[in-house]
Amino acid sequence: SAVISQKPSRDICQRGTSLTIQCQVDSQVTMMFWYRQQPGQSLTLIATANQGSEATYESGFVIDKFPISRPNLTFSTLTVSNMSPEDSSIYLCSGRDRDYNEQFFGPGTRLTVL
Amino acid sequence: AQSVAQPEDQVNVAEGNPLTVKCTYSVSGNPYLFWYVQYPNRGLQFLLKYITGDNLVKGSYGFEAEFNKSQTSFHLKKPSALVSDSALYFCAVSSYNFNKFYFGSGTKLNVKP
Repeated sequence: SAVISQKPSRDICQRGTSLTIQCQVDSQVTMMFWYRQQPGQSLTLIATANQGSEATYESGFVIDKFPISRPNLTFSTLTVSNMSPEDSSIYLCSGRDRDYNEQFFGPGTRLTVL
Repeated sequence: AQSVAQPEDQVNVAEGNPLTVKCTYSVSGNPYLFWYVQYPNRGLQFLLKYITGDNLVKGSYGFEAEFNKSQTSFHLKKPSALVSDSALYFCAVSSYNFNKFYFGSGTKLNVKP
């Protein structure tokens, strides 16, 4: 199975600023995903990061607020733009390889916006 | 539309006793079902999955799950609980092409010594 790392592991940011979260996979994966999770709550899919094309966003999430890049099959970034306290959450990256049905998750980035 | 329900927010069990964490599903088409575990301040870890075949699926850390088509359930079980099993457990169902996962609300498992 793939091993996924995320940077930073946590951050405290000021309102109105932006934070870019990096997701690195130790092997090539077909699909990469970004989720948001309130502590102790379920996961909400933000978008699917497509290699070489624009990300596919879920209802309620827009590119201007959560721009995503995926320059290759092992790396993706999620930017949380113009942050407000409501953006405080855990952001999780996951990947899925075509040889496996399950998704593998990174450890998450815990974001606090003041 | 695909969805899963975890009816219990929390399950409490004594160490050494059997545990069950419940999950029911609603899908159009064949169900592809998964269980994940999340320890504090960690990402989700894959436990097991049902795609096809035997209704009893064995996974990591001694966990197993039983797929029951008539009851549309996929309950997670373990014969003898450990204190270290205390964590948040998520059931999930996948789209037909495994490109989208729908997660349940999660069940917090507390195993007491």
